[in-house]
Amino acid sequence: NAGVMQNPRHLVRRRGQEARLRCSPMKGHSHVYWYRQLPEEGLKFMVYLQKENIIDESGMPKERFSAEFPKEGPSILRIQQVVRGDSAAYFCASSLLMEPRQGDGYTFGSGTRLTVV
Amino acid sequence: LAKTTQPISMDSYEGQEVNITCSHNNIATNDYITWYQQFPSQGPRFIIQGYKTKVTNEVASLFIPADRKSSTLSLPRVSLSDTAVYYCLVGRRDNYGQNFVFGPGTRLSVLP
Repeated sequence: NAGVMQNPRHLVRRRGQEARLRCSPMKGHSHVYWYRQLPEEGLKFMVYLQKENIIDESGMPKERFSAEFPKEGPSILRIQQVVRGDSAAYFCASSLLMEPRQGDGYTFGSGTRLTVV
Repeated sequence: LAKTTQPISMDSYEGQEVNITCSHNNIATNDYITWYQQFPSQGPRFIIQGYKTKVTNEVASLFIPADRKSSTLSLPRVSLSDTAVYYCLVGRRDNYGQNFVFGPGTRLSVLP
């Protein structure tokens, strides 16, 4: 596992369709984070998951968006009934819980660029 | 979560040292300071992280004064390939992992 794998890289959906974005964390990482980035803006936190648990979903829109990280398989970010405003780059990151003194950061995937037409 | 303030953009020339300063006046005792680099159409890449004083790795140095209300990322002898957006983040490590907040970052342009 060379890193965090996201697929697809590009996704085009018509308004009203569903979008499913997948993220496979780095080997051994059990913490997954999803971020959204609009053009020319910084990343906005959406949700933080551990295996089978949502730890923090404070950045998720209340409707149409959901995320899961099952015991087996990748993490999925699901957007139902997409609208044009959902067009953005969606990044997944994973981390390995370590002692603070060791220092580390997230490892990000290359993102999925969602375009809603 | 501590808010950070960085310059929106900076220009530099190849071979120069670049210093990007980030303000985080309400940093908490348990917060770490982390810098990321992002190229167009790619995910952010971890550069360096520190808690206090100075941290150096093969890519950059991070200077943190005693009051920790600011930090400076130093990139030695930049090249054209260092043109990117640089994000300063302040966040807490705890038993529930990390949750950092990305600001708009500093867009560094390295000119020939």
